[in-house]
Amino acid sequence: ETGVTQTPRHLVMGMTNKKSLKCEQHLGHNAMYWYKQSAKKPLELMFVYNFKEQTENNSVPSRFSPECPNSSHLFLHLHTLQPEDSALYLCASSHVGAGGPADTQYFGPGTRLTVL
Amino acid sequence: DQQVKQNSPSLSVQEGRISILNCDYTNSMFDYFLWYKKYPAEGPTFLISISSIKDKNEDGRFTVFLNKSAKHLSLHIVPSQPGDSAVYFCAASASMDSNYQLIWGAGTKLIIKP
Repeated sequence: ETGVTQTPRHLVMGMTNKKSLKCEQHLGHNAMYWYKQSAKKPLELMFVYNFKEQTENNSVPSRFSPECPNSSHLFLHLHTLQPEDSALYLCASSHVGAGGPADTQYFGPGTRLTVL
Repeated sequence: DQQVKQNSPSLSVQEGRISILNCDYTNSMFDYFLWYKKYPAEGPTFLISISSIKDKNEDGRFTVFLNKSAKHLSLHIVPSQPGDSAVYFCAASASMDSNYQLIWGAGTKLIIKP
């Protein structure tokens, strides 16, 4: 596998379920990101991990819980979600701290989440 | 308040003509700008970028222009092809931001007509 992969690609869950989204990057990057994309809105940054340490949590509700066990893997644990959480969840990675154009982020295909 | 704005939700262009997508920003600390392209059911893919030390960057059919005084950038695609039909996102970052955040526009849907 190359690039950034995400599983599952589609997920339907009830409000009482617990599920996890998985992201894996094969690019040797040291930063990973979770974004939420709702229709006709800018991408919303949810979480940032630099060198496996969480550096950003943009006021995301606690029903979303990220986990970054190493620099190649990122999880988003979901529990007791609401229907308005239905969206496309995108994972991205980048290489930061190299002094070059470090801000180019590379995205996975996303997980289309539907909360019933 | 949105720091990066793409004021045209959609744009329709004839195949073979030039497509011009616009983006405005408000934060003068932004010094790196990127364009991404997104097809339905896929993640955004990086297209082209420009640093604030330049006013133009070209890559094949794609050229990005930066006007720092106007806080405006544009993406030119010429000639436009059917495969260019997608949503285009403008994003910006500030090198002083230790979190390396990208601030995104809402996107412009480009439709190339045959």
